[in-house]
Amino acid sequence: DAGVTQSPTHLIKTRGQQVTLRCSPKSGHDTVSWYQQALGQGPQFIFQYYEEEERQRGNFPDRFSGHQFPNYSSELNVNALLLGDSALYLCASSPTSGSIYEQYFGPGTRLTVT
Amino acid sequence: AQTVTQSQPEMSVQEAETVTLSCTYDTSESDYYLFWYKQPPSRQMILVIRQEAYKQQNATENRFSVNFQKAAKSFSLKISDSQLGDAAMYFCAYRTLRGRDDKIIFGKGTRLHILP
Repeated sequence: DAGVTQSPTHLIKTRGQQVTLRCSPKSGHDTVSWYQQALGQGPQFIFQYYEEEERQRGNFPDRFSGHQFPNYSSELNVNALLLGDSALYLCASSPTSGSIYEQYFGPGTRLTVT
Repeated sequence: AQTVTQSQPEMSVQEAETVTLSCTYDTSESDYYLFWYKQPPSRQMILVIRQEAYKQQNATENRFSVNFQKAAKSFSLKISDSQLGDAAMYFCAYRTLRGRDDKIIFGKGTRLHILP
């Protein structure tokens, strides 16, 4: 079992550009959540996808959008990048059945905006 | 809104000793989950221990145990017989039990150093 995987590992972008981050959930998981972790801070919830729909959203602007595919993998898109978007982006997956507190995290994508 | 506060940005402990990390939270709900997550330099967030608010008994996982004080809204983590591999950022986290609200609310973390 590969667990939650994310790509790429690192990414450098310029202000104003757009970026797409990818996440593959753990086998058997159908729900994907995205978190932003700024340096020295705890992760902050961005949004969650289930059945290819955004089910829940945190306090992030519309520049942050996502998508979930039929195979449950997910993408996080950020438009018009700002310096403040530099962070570690974590993906977490969970099943809708079983232990509902069971969220497994991926290793993250480190995004640097210059 | 729920909040989680960790007042110790950094802590150090001698190898084989015991250390306690503090966490307080604020919520108006009566049912919820609390967690401690470990994030080593490799960045992978790992669940250390969890506590259901309706359970009075404190959770224990091997060398890790919690002191859950519901009335005081306090949730501390005790690590016994500290090992070098315990060095990491530790995050206290909260999750509601309300409907399909699945998001986890994290504190700012405590960096734990293990001294050989």
